Amino acid sequence: DAGITQSPRHKVTETGTPVTLRCHQTENHRYMYWYRQDPGHGLRLIHYSYGVKDTDKGEVSDGYSVSRSKTEDFLLTLESATSSQTSVYFCAISESGTGGDEQYFGPGTRLTVT
Amino acid sequence: QKEVEQNSGPLSVPEGAIASLNCTYSDRGSQSFFWYRQYSGKSPELIMFIYSNGDKEDGRFTAQLNKASQYVSLLIRDSQPSDSATYLCAVNSGYSSASKIIFGSGTRLSIRP
Repeated sequence: DAGITQSPRHKVTETGTPVTLRCHQTENHRYMYWYRQDPGHGLRLIHYSYGVKDTDKGEVSDGYSVSRSKTEDFLLTLESATSSQTSVYFCAISESGTGGDEQYFGPGTRLTVT
Repeated sequence: QKEVEQNSGPLSVPEGAIASLNCTYSDRGSQSFFWYRQYSGKSPELIMFIYSNGDKEDGRFTAQLNKASQYVSLLIRDSQPSDSATYLCAVNSGYSSASKIIFGSGTRLSIRP
């Protein structure tokens, strides 16, 4: 998985609790992304980062926040988890972030909100 | 209208035959196109990318791009059972914008022995 790890790999949490997912890379790539994958919707971008402390919103950012204090780590936080955030979350990285740049994905985190 | 459309399948192809996967996109300004393979329970894996009109071949895989008709396809020759997976088409509309990569919902391919 191109030197990308995600933790935890599985998590069950209750509605209303905060949850933080971690993505760690060893490739020293500048761009990092968080996606969610749901049946019938494919992969949808939540947030991305183009450098330390530089982040921007994606297509489905409501209810999520991110932080990047080091090149290698990108955190996704669900401030108050809801059942609609039950999903598989993938982190991805790319070198330059330009349109022609390929993205490489981590192994994913399966999150269930009860 | 979805920005990137794929037939969800499943597409069933006999072993050894050619599998043809199609994808259409709505943004005429799209610049780059990717095919990812995703096995059940696993993460997407990049298998092909194409930027220019025409064909691009890599082993058993051929990507075809037609910008005028706004479609991109993936051909898999000599299909093997290990090719059974979901194939995601991804399109990037802006050459400088990381947020513009749009994924299709994927086509499930099943290779029958």
